[in-house]
Amino acid sequence: GESVGLHLPTLSVQEGDNSIINCAYSNSASDYFIWYKQESGKGPQFIIDIRSNMDKRQGQRVTVLLNKTVKHLSLQIAATQPGDSAVYFCAENPGGTSYGKLTFGQGTILTVHP
Amino acid sequence: SAVISQKPSRDICQRGTSLTIQCQVDSQVTMMFWYRQQPGQSLTLIATANQGSEATYESGFVIDKFPISRPNLTFSTLTVSNMSPEDSSIYLCSVRGQGWTEAFFGQGTRLTVV
Repeated sequence: GESVGLHLPTLSVQEGDNSIINCAYSNSASDYFIWYKQESGKGPQFIIDIRSNMDKRQGQRVTVLLNKTVKHLSLQIAATQPGDSAVYFCAENPGGTSYGKLTFGQGTILTVHP
Repeated sequence: SAVISQKPSRDICQRGTSLTIQCQVDSQVTMMFWYRQQPGQSLTLIATANQGSEATYESGFVIDKFPISRPNLTFSTLTVSNMSPEDSSIYLCSVRGQGWTEAFFGQGTRLTVV
């Protein structure tokens, strides 16, 4: 079936560096993508989203890039801080009659070293 | 946004028993979903909780094992029936409102079956 996957299951960076977390998706009909951050013992927390009619969207210290040609999504975190350490998931919304449902990628563990 | 409360936050249960998880939202929402997150893994959608009608289950999940109720627009329950150790997971409630883009998650219920 359709799935969302990640290239790198773990990522370690130094405080202050920029982090890039990647995600590949396979459902070309997906029209909406979200990045979530999940800290230990908590539910996923919304970070940033992007619609399929956009290539780039920026938030506070975060940028999401969408490349529909190769079905690739990335999350860039600028000046990474220890508080950014968490598991990051990309998720896609298939759209249409599946509106509201999310298909999650496998997750990337980000560790930020002081 | 929405504030989502799940009860219990965690539980340890004997195999063969059942546990009902509650999800309460602080505002009326259009859509409510239940996800499962097995240890060290990503989130998988169990079902869409429909207000006033039977839930819609995803492939691999059945009503007899995961009965769901949604009596109104702010509350839903998920029951994990006849539990086995393989049911040990985090169960998460998610909501999405009319006109919203992102989906919000509760903090999850960590279930351990012994």
